Amino acid sequence: DIQMTQSPSSLSASVGDSVTITCRTSQSISRFLNWYRQRPGKAPELLIFSTSNLQSGIPSRFSGSGSGTDFTLTISSLQPEDFAIYSCQQSYSVPWTFGQGTKVEIK
Amino acid sequence: QVQLQQWGAGLLQPSETLSLTCTVNGGSFSGYYGGWIRQPPGKGLEWIGEINDSGTTNYNPSLKSRVIISVDMSKNQVSLKLSSVTAADTAVYYCARGGLRWFSNWGQGTLVTVSS
Repeated sequence: DIQMTQSPSSLSASVGDSVTITCRTSQSISRFLNWYRQRPGKAPELLIFSTSNLQSGIPSRFSGSGSGTDFTLTISSLQPEDFAIYSCQQSYSVPWTFGQGTKVEIK
Repeated sequence: QVQLQQWGAGLLQPSETLSLTCTVNGGSFSGYYGGWIRQPPGKGLEWIGEINDSGTTNYNPSLKSRVIISVDMSKNQVSLKLSSVTAADTAVYYCARGGLRWFSNWGQGTLVTVSS
């Protein structure tokens, strides 16, 4: 199985801040990397697929980049609804695997 | 707007079979994969498996011996059965719809607790 490691595990930020979350994979996955946001008590929500493609309806303040084993999710201007847990998921090979999550908290 | 609705028993005893069903409102599983993902309390997401509209399945090898995922296209439903559950199977279970490689629509989640 491909192992996924996210950093940091948590971070504190203020509304309007820009934040970056990193996802590293145990082997190269080309650009088969997706990002999800999970608000408290809610189901995950797809933000970005295939590294940098914004899912329909997702604001442009979210962006993704990377390839191979190193990927990033950037939120350019945090909004109140963005305080949540973010998870990456590789879609290079079955079994699909997820990172452990990064919790973005209000400073 | 596509919405996934899921249901099933929330409390099981060890060795019983977990059974959950998911339906799509405002859409269909036709042309998509229907999958199941779980999240133990306070932990990350774990992919269980998925099925397409032709009935082709992919399972997580760690659960494969205990999992059956099925689809009923006439009812627009995907179902999950997980046999011989233990406390380690306690989690929120989500159904999801998507392409082969990502999950674009999710159900509301069902907390399944395994306890004697």
